[in-house]
Amino acid sequence: GAVVSQHPSWVICKSGTSVKIECRSLDFQATTMFWYRQFPKQSLMLMATSNEGSKATYEQGVEKDKFLINHASLTLSTLTVTSAHPEDSSFYICSAVGDYQYNEQFFGPGTRLTVL
Amino acid sequence: SQQGEEDPQALSIQEGENATMNCSYKTSINNLQWYRQNSGRGLVHLILIRSNEREKHSGRLRVTLDTSKKSSSLLITASRAADTASYFCAKETSGSRLTFGEGTQLTVNP
Repeated sequence: GAVVSQHPSWVICKSGTSVKIECRSLDFQATTMFWYRQFPKQSLMLMATSNEGSKATYEQGVEKDKFLINHASLTLSTLTVTSAHPEDSSFYICSAVGDYQYNEQFFGPGTRLTVL
Repeated sequence: SQQGEEDPQALSIQEGENATMNCSYKTSINNLQWYRQNSGRGLVHLILIRSNEREKHSGRLRVTLDTSKKSSSLLITASRAADTASYFCAKETSGSRLTFGEGTQLTVNP
C-alpha cells in the first residue's frame, strides 16, 4: 500500500524558533497533500491543502504567515511553524492523495511538536 | 459545527462484545470514511463507504450509511483488547477534503 512518512516524528523547541516538518509520499506521486493539527484528546482539524507547484489553500482561522507550506515536488510537502509559541504545541499530521480510486488519502504517522 | 457529531464520546465494553459507534453529518458527501487512531499515533484507514452504498463489511467491521438521515455507524463485532483506540469518521466533500468527527474513544477490557 501507499506509504507516507513524516520527519521528524517529534521535536522540542524553544519559543520563538521555527520548526520545519517534512511529509513525503514514498511510493507514489501525490498531487495533493493535506496538513492537519490535532490537540490532545481532540479530533483532527484541517489546516491547509497543498498542491504541487501552487500556493497552499488555508482553512479559515489558520495564519498562512505562521504556518508556511511548500509543496515543491510530487513527493514532498513541508510545513514550517514560524516563531513557534507554546500554544502551537500539537500533533501535526499530513496526508497525501495519489492517483488512486476514490482519491483516498494516505496519512503520515504524525509529528509531535512541543514548544517550551 | 463543521465536523458533525460522533457518539458516544467514550465507550467501554468487555472483550467479545460488539461495539457500535455513530456519526452524523450536515452537508452532502462524496463518501464517508472510518479511521482508527491509537494514542499518540497516526491514523489507520478502516473502511470507505461511498454515498451510493448502504453497507460495507471488512472482517469484523461493518459500516452502514443512511444518506437520508445523514448518518453512519461502525460496528466492531467480537471485540478484542487490541481494538482499544479512538475511532473517527471523516466526511469527504469536494476536492478530497476530509472533515473529521469528534471521535469515539473505545476501551475493550480483557
